[in-house]
Amino acid sequence: DAMVIQNPRYQVTQFGKPVTLSCSQTLNHNVMYWYQQKSSQAPKLLFHYYDKDFNNEADTPDNFQSRRPNTSFCFLDIRSPGLGDAAMYLCATLDRDGGSYEQYFGPGTRLTVT
Amino acid sequence: LAKTTQPISMDSYEGQEVNITCSHNNIATNDYITWYQQFPSQGPRFIIQGYKTKVTNEVASLFIPADRKSSTLSLPRVSLSDTAVYYCLVGDLHLNRDDKIIFGKGTRLHILP
Repeated sequence: DAMVIQNPRYQVTQFGKPVTLSCSQTLNHNVMYWYQQKSSQAPKLLFHYYDKDFNNEADTPDNFQSRRPNTSFCFLDIRSPGLGDAAMYLCATLDRDGGSYEQYFGPGTRLTVT
Repeated sequence: LAKTTQPISMDSYEGQEVNITCSHNNIATNDYITWYQQFPSQGPRFIIQGYKTKVTNEVASLFIPADRKSSTLSLPRVSLSDTAVYYCLVGDLHLNRDDKIIFGKGTRLHILP
């Protein structure tokens, strides 16, 4: 019954070792978002896809990349994680044609960098 | 997107009605107001959305005055499980391809027994 799935739920990586977080959706929504959320802070938008169109936030570090091979899947690649990249990473979807700001969020992946 | 301002935190007691107000002085004509709820270690969850006057669903009510420069999320008879962060967002529903949804700081609601 899950609609937005994120794997893994917990990820531990070493400083500088590339890591990939994945998100999949069963909603067939055309917009997918990646947010970074640190403790006691609001979710911070990293980038989003509108269909295959990629939109990067100006302050998203180059260290963060994303791929969306098809409607259902979206990946977040962190090329060289630093200690400051430890956070919860949230994936969300939106139906652009739904006439609503109702985003559907996954449970998140908590990334630890050692 | 219109900038929003909310109280940083609020405390209330079980069984009380809680009202959280959000200011959005530069809201545009086409903008809607949306509220999300987030529990610790979970993604935000959509609560309610409205344009003007009053909207009610099974979870909450949303009151929007005529000038739309503010809105109030009302949670009836809260319980301990309503302890969460509540975010107010304002924006045009007719998203362009490069439009984005940005979260403000939110209000941390703490329900006491």
